[in-house]
Amino acid sequence: DGGITQSPKYLFRKEGQNVTLSCEQNLNHDAMYWYRQDPGQGLRLIYYSQIVNDFQKGDIAEGYSVSREKKESFPLTVTSAQKNPTAFYLCASSGGGLVQPQHFGDGTRLSIL
Amino acid sequence: ILNVEQSPQSLHVQEGDSTNFTCSFPSSNFYALHWYRWETAKSPEALFVMTLNGDEKKKGRISATLNTKEGYSYLYIKGSQPEDSATYLCAFSLGNTGFQKLVFGTGTRLLVSP
Repeated sequence: DGGITQSPKYLFRKEGQNVTLSCEQNLNHDAMYWYRQDPGQGLRLIYYSQIVNDFQKGDIAEGYSVSREKKESFPLTVTSAQKNPTAFYLCASSGGGLVQPQHFGDGTRLSIL
Repeated sequence: ILNVEQSPQSLHVQEGDSTNFTCSFPSSNFYALHWYRWETAKSPEALFVMTLNGDEKKKGRISATLNTKEGYSYLYIKGSQPEDSATYLCAFSLGNTGFQKLVFGTGTRLLVSP
């Protein structure tokens, strides 16, 4: 089945450590996105990529980095510079055009040890 | 600062009740309005993408309307069932960004009791 796979489901980070969240899609979508969810807030955009080898900062990119070396993959690294990384992270993708729905993964919950 | 407001925050209804939620968004620079259903422990699932003022969309017992001039959309569920229990998210798509930038509301959490 076509879809988006995020891993791991749960992740724990130690102080000063970088961690990477995986996002893979087999929908042949050009655009991919990373969102963060905090309690009582809507999903907020961290980074997005419209094509391979190109990505742009979203609204809350500080302390995060991404890469887009393959169309299928858009990993997110939470660096030690992100001082409040505890949150739920969702990856999404969308097909061509600005009115296509976004397709989401199941998410990764990141906590601090 | 763009703001998307959803109301109510949560709703508890009995099986068979019909219900509706509201999504309010900025009426300027509108491009599209998305509705998603997010069940616990699953991924958000797209319900509708609406673009035209006065648009109405329907999917089974769920329907949505759009008023871009006044900046609101309603989502209706007719004859709610326990499997409709989920958080319903709306997202406003800006028109001048060159990519699909969505601004999400905080959602309406629906619980349908048998």
